[in-house]
Amino acid sequence: QKEVEQDPGPLSVPEGAIVSLNCTYSNSAFQYFMWYRQYSRKGPELLMYTYSSGNKEDGRFTAQVDKSSKYISLFIRDSQPSDSATYLCAMSMNTGFQKLVFGTGTRLLVSP
Amino acid sequence: GAVVSQHPSWVICKSGTSVKIECRSLDFQATTMFWYRQFPKQSLMLMATSNEGSKATYEQGVEKDKFLINHASLTLSTLTVTSAHPEDSSFYICSAGGSYEQYFGPGTRLTVT
Repeated sequence: QKEVEQDPGPLSVPEGAIVSLNCTYSNSAFQYFMWYRQYSRKGPELLMYTYSSGNKEDGRFTAQVDKSSKYISLFIRDSQPSDSATYLCAMSMNTGFQKLVFGTGTRLLVSP
Repeated sequence: GAVVSQHPSWVICKSGTSVKIECRSLDFQATTMFWYRQFPKQSLMLMATSNEGSKATYEQGVEKDKFLINHASLTLSTLTVTSAHPEDSSFYICSAGGSYEQYFGPGTRLTVT
C-alpha cells in the first residue's frame, strides 16, 4: 500500500465548476499537508499548506485536513481553464517542508 | 517566489555513459537541496537531500554510487547519473529550500538509449 493515495484522473469539469481533489494517507505521523500545482514540463509550485487538522482558505482555493480519517482535500471554486494542470498532494512528518511524500497527482482539465 | 533552474531540460544519452544535471537557485542561497525522480504516472520520489559542503543523504533504495550528488556552493547542486541504463530514464527534479518552503526546478527529462 502506498503511503499517499491520489486518483490520477483526468478530472474534466466545465469552467465555473467547483472542483474537489482528494488524497488519503496511511501514516498517522504526517503533520504537514501541502498542495502543489504542476503544469506540463514545469516543476511543482506550492498552492497551500496546512499544519495538522482544519481548513485554510486562500482566494478560490480551500484546503481541508481530516486527520481522524487520514483524508485531505483541495477545493477550487469558480474553476478557470488556466487551472488546468496536475495537482499533487504532499505531506511530511515533523520536518516541515523537508522529506516530502507525494501523491501521484490528479490531472485537472477545465474546459471553457 | 524564488527561482530554481535546471540544466539541461532534456538529455538523451547512450547506455553506459554518465550524465550530469545541474540545479541552481538563482536569487537565493540554498543550504539544502533535494533531488527527486518521477516516473510516468507515478509520484515524485525523494532520492536524496544535500546540504552545502557536506555529503548527501540518500533515501533507502537509492544507490549513492550510481547517483552522485555534489552541493559545492549555496547556489549549485549537481546530480551525476553514472553508467546510465535505460531503466534510469525518468524525469529528475531538484528543489531548494528548507523548513518553510521548497522551490522546485522545471525538471530534466533523461532518456537512456
